[in-house]
Amino acid sequence: QSALTQPRSVSGSPGQSVTISCTGTSSDVGGYNYVSWYQQHPGKAPKLMVSDVSKRPSGVPDRFSGSKSGNTASLTISGLQAEDEADYYCCSYAGSYTYHVIFGGGTKLTVL
Amino acid sequence: EVQLVESGGGLVQPGGSLRLSCAASGLTVSSNSMSWVRQAPGKGLEWVSVIHSGGSTYYVDSVKGRFTIARDNSKNTLYLQMNSLRAEDTAIYYCASGICGDYCFDYWGQGTLVTVSS
Repeated sequence: QSALTQPRSVSGSPGQSVTISCTGTSSDVGGYNYVSWYQQHPGKAPKLMVSDVSKRPSGVPDRFSGSKSGNTASLTISGLQAEDEADYYCCSYAGSYTYHVIFGGGTKLTVL
Repeated sequence: EVQLVESGGGLVQPGGSLRLSCAASGLTVSSNSMSWVRQAPGKGLEWVSVIHSGGSTYYVDSVKGRFTIARDNSKNTLYLQMNSLRAEDTAIYYCASGICGDYCFDYWGQGTLVTVSS
């Protein structure tokens, strides 16, 4: 299965909002409410930011929100802060007849 | 506090084997889905394998028949046995827990680097 499609890069100024898209198919993003988002700073392990399309784990600021429409999921970061600059990866269950999970190619967020 | 600590990475020749370990504290490996996720140098994340709490195991197609995921409940440790290694297996390997559910990864280790090269 192919990776989910994310923009290579997005950018925004402090205080602004940015949205990162994640496009799949009806066999993954569109077929299940099992989309998650991860933040990764250079040299660090990924961190879960959103699970099950829109659930925020404890400790994740409410500036981060997830949504889905059809085969495209989105992560919106409002009130951008310098510390939000990182790589972001979406992930979706794509199982059908067996367990399978696929990631997006990643999006580099630059805070200007 | 949940901690996952990987070990066992290193340099191995093509066709060789390695066993990765992931020692867990603050969670019970046998009670949660536990996965291995890898990241090739400068590349994105790729899910590799999962073992569910019930013991079912699954693999990405590219490692089927070569990698085996297992756990030792008495040691609260997750393993990944990697055989017939190829250059394209070169990556940082992370273990990750699925306390959030079977299809997400909430706690991650720091990763262990596997380099397959002659």
